[in-house]
Amino acid sequence: LAKTTQPISMDSYEGQEVNITCSHNNIATNDYITWYQQFPSQGPRFIIQGYKTKVTNEVASLFIPADRKSSTLSLPRVSLSDTAVYYCLVYKRDDKIIFGKGTRLHILP
Amino acid sequence: EPEVTQTPSHQVTQMGQEVILRCVPISNHLYFYWYRQILGQKVEFLVSFYNNEISEKSEIFDDQFSVERPDGSNFTLKIRSTKLEDSAMYFCASRATRGWDTGELFFGEGSRLTVL
Repeated sequence: LAKTTQPISMDSYEGQEVNITCSHNNIATNDYITWYQQFPSQGPRFIIQGYKTKVTNEVASLFIPADRKSSTLSLPRVSLSDTAVYYCLVYKRDDKIIFGKGTRLHILP
Repeated sequence: EPEVTQTPSHQVTQMGQEVILRCVPISNHLYFYWYRQILGQKVEFLVSFYNNEISEKSEIFDDQFSVERPDGSNFTLKIRSTKLEDSAMYFCASRATRGWDTGELFFGEGSRLTVL
């Protein structure tokens, strides 16, 4: 499995756009990228997934450059309720999902 | 919206006792998982289950652990003889299908196990 590296923590303010970048230098051709969110004492929740270029849904955007060695999760106009841990995961098709340590995002008023 | 449900939400047990954690995955899902999270640490994969058998398990999932899907709806995790270090939040998850676009696991709210 490709190793992922992301910031341990980030702070931002309400209404700002937040970008969390994850590096996965040894990503393989058949690996995919997904991001999860976890609130305290709750199970992780799927946010978005992609293989290359840009993916957007109602919650976030995921930017993946051509070399796929990194990915950036973009959260538009965050609110206090976006305070959570965000996990960048690289997985192979049909394989288990392995979580890393994640990024603790703290939104300030 | 369909959801994964887990019971109990919290269980306190004495070391050496057997514990069964129960999960009801989303009804049309085919792939089932158990993860655990020790307080303040990362979410750890325990086991995956498909077609009534274990498809993969981690080093944590030793002989003290077992999983079962006894009746087509419940998915259980049994810990035969609990140890203090088994204290954690246990999450059940399910996935609809396999394929490139199936990074989406649906997690339950968790069962907190406290071993005294």
